[in-house]
Amino acid sequence: QQQVKQSPQSLIVQKGGIPIINCAYENTAFDYFPWYQQFPGKGPALLIAIRPDVSEKKEGRFTISFNKSAKQFSLHIMDSQPGDSATYFCAASTQAGTALIFGKGTTLSVSS
Amino acid sequence: KAGVTQTPRYLIKTRGQQVTLSCSPISGHRSVSWYQQTPGQGLQFLFEYFSETQRNKGNFPGRFSGRQFSNSRSEMNVSTLELGDSALYLCASSFTGVNTGELFFGEGSRLTVL
Repeated sequence: QQQVKQSPQSLIVQKGGIPIINCAYENTAFDYFPWYQQFPGKGPALLIAIRPDVSEKKEGRFTISFNKSAKQFSLHIMDSQPGDSATYFCAASTQAGTALIFGKGTTLSVSS
Repeated sequence: KAGVTQTPRYLIKTRGQQVTLSCSPISGHRSVSWYQQTPGQGLQFLFEYFSETQRNKGNFPGRFSGRQFSNSRSEMNVSTLELGDSALYLCASSFTGVNTGELFFGEGSRLTVL
């Protein structure tokens, strides 16, 4: 029940494409859903986050869509660029939680 | 503003040895968390400290331990190392904790156990 399942494991898109990464969870107590971006040799960095009271959040070219009834959320990257090539992790935590439960990650490659 | 600093960045140990990793959080941050990252298991939570108190611990054996000092700096220790402990160990800091704010990660300490 503590798991966050992420798919796909890897993704290759052309420059300008819209990669979509999906995550699903079971624990209905989760109420904070961040996405982290990690480049090789670096630690993860927060990209965007959402709480269940909204269904969509946009920050620049990055959009989170959230479906509370389906217990699913996804990351869309508009007009993807080669510089977006990285590993993306979805995560979740509870209101009282002090830990992030991460998905297994998606390695995105954007070809020019 | 300096980021999260982890030392050492790379280290090689042999089975049975122990290792201590250090983390200096962002100034003013009182919460420090540790995560283990491996290709197979991804990012897994080890423990979280806030004002020198462990608030949460992940599902790891007792060989994994940590502590936080009064200046918020933290250390984690792994005793009796096993081959499977080879991983990138990431430290993250935040002002109050994960659900109320962003976690800032360091670049990690890469441990290789031979």
